[in-house]
Amino acid sequence: AQSVTQPDIHITVSEGASLELRCNYSYGATPYLFWYVQSPGQGLQLLLKYFSGDTLVQGIKGFEAEFKRSQSSFNLRKPSVHWSDAAEYFCAVGGNTGGFKTIFGAGTRLFVKA
Amino acid sequence: DAGVIQSPRHEVTEMGQEVTLRCKPISGHDYLFWYRQTMMRGLELLIYFNNNVPIDDSGMPEDRFSAKMPNASFSTLKIQPSEPRDSAVYFCASRPAAGITDTQYFGPGTRLTVL
Repeated sequence: AQSVTQPDIHITVSEGASLELRCNYSYGATPYLFWYVQSPGQGLQLLLKYFSGDTLVQGIKGFEAEFKRSQSSFNLRKPSVHWSDAAEYFCAVGGNTGGFKTIFGAGTRLFVKA
Repeated sequence: DAGVIQSPRHEVTEMGQEVTLRCKPISGHDYLFWYRQTMMRGLELLIYFNNNVPIDDSGMPEDRFSAKMPNASFSTLKIQPSEPRDSAVYFCASRPAAGITDTQYFGPGTRLTVL
């Protein structure tokens, strides 16, 4: 079955500290992987995506993610967090199977403290 | 492009009333998705369309919910009759044809409150 697991419901980091948000997926074929961010009262915005090729992908706002097939993971990272990064982050998996649906994780809420 | 447009942005109604949510996808996108987001259940896919045809409505909670896409530029999600447990944020998203890219573009959402 296709699924996405984000083990951390919420994470708190200090401004300027590094960040890693975890994501594990289950998908029966070659996955397309995504990270979206949702600020309060807003829709979801795509941060980055992985389709193929280099397993380290760069996104907007200084975020990057690494695809590790052996671990079925696609963790999101940022070397130095800014207060404006406080939001909810969703990992998602999709592809050309399963009716082209994208499956979203439950989300991780990021709190940034001064 | 203006992105995915949803209306209204906020809706407050009383239990038993009919509610209609509207969505205009990005021009040229072949796929349209309706999601519901709640604190308890997260982001749930309700239904999606390909070229105006409903493909998978298995996420629609019950017969009170219905969705239509009469043309490529407009879709509605209707709840009749509405219940307090329908209170949520409803998102519409659109996507270009699969095989080109699988990225979904989300609208700002409609926050529905049923009293």
